[in-house]
Amino acid sequence: QVQLQESGPGLVKPSQTLSLTCTVSGGSVSSGNSYWSWIRQPAGEGLEWIGRRHTSGSTNYNPSLKSRVTISVDTSKNQFSLTLTSVTAADTAMYYCARLNYYGSGGWDDAFDIWGQGTMVTVSS
Amino acid sequence: QSVLTQPPSVSAAPGQKVTISCSGSSSNIGNNYVSWYQQLPGTAPKLLIYENNKRPSGIPDRFSGSKSGTSATLDITGLQTGDEADYYCGTWDTSLSANYVFGTGTKVTVL
Repeated sequence: QVQLQESGPGLVKPSQTLSLTCTVSGGSVSSGNSYWSWIRQPAGEGLEWIGRRHTSGSTNYNPSLKSRVTISVDTSKNQFSLTLTSVTAADTAMYYCARLNYYGSGGWDDAFDIWGQGTMVTVSS
Repeated sequence: QSVLTQPPSVSAAPGQKVTISCSGSSSNIGNNYVSWYQQLPGTAPKLLIYENNKRPSGIPDRFSGSKSGTSATLDITGLQTGDEADYYCGTWDTSLSANYVFGTGTKVTVL
């Protein structure tokens, strides 16, 4: 079955760029019915969707983060990545990668059916 | 500030039923499918319900979802101690640009 694993630095300095990678195993990042997403969760708080990308290049980003976020897919490595620029302490959170699976009934008919275990990122000098 | 509102907490004794509400608007729940996620302490969220009321393989039928208008509901029957977790609803908000939104989250406590 498909599994996801996040990797990347746990500490990033303010104003720098946060970069995380999610490795897909047991399946292909090129799956036609799947978008690849990032979601974050500050300690003790709720979930915040960051964005999604399809291997076709189609993307959607959270409007509140759109100016700082890029999600890319590397089919040769079966990975997808998150880049978040100009980070501040407010970006400190657990970051999850997840598969957004499309169920085919039309419209925005999808759900996050597979999640990575998460990786903690702290923004601090 | 989430656009989907859930009660902060609900509780019941083992074997009883709890109901978690998720209130939104026409730009999100009213016109899009709702999903529900369970987050056990210290773990990643897990999909419980998709397309308003469907369960992925392996999710017991003690968990059921429904939607009416701009609100959705998750019912958990036969409550077990292992159900103690945070629960989140989620859906797309298509008011301006497409934005996936999660509910504020509900802590379920088994008394």
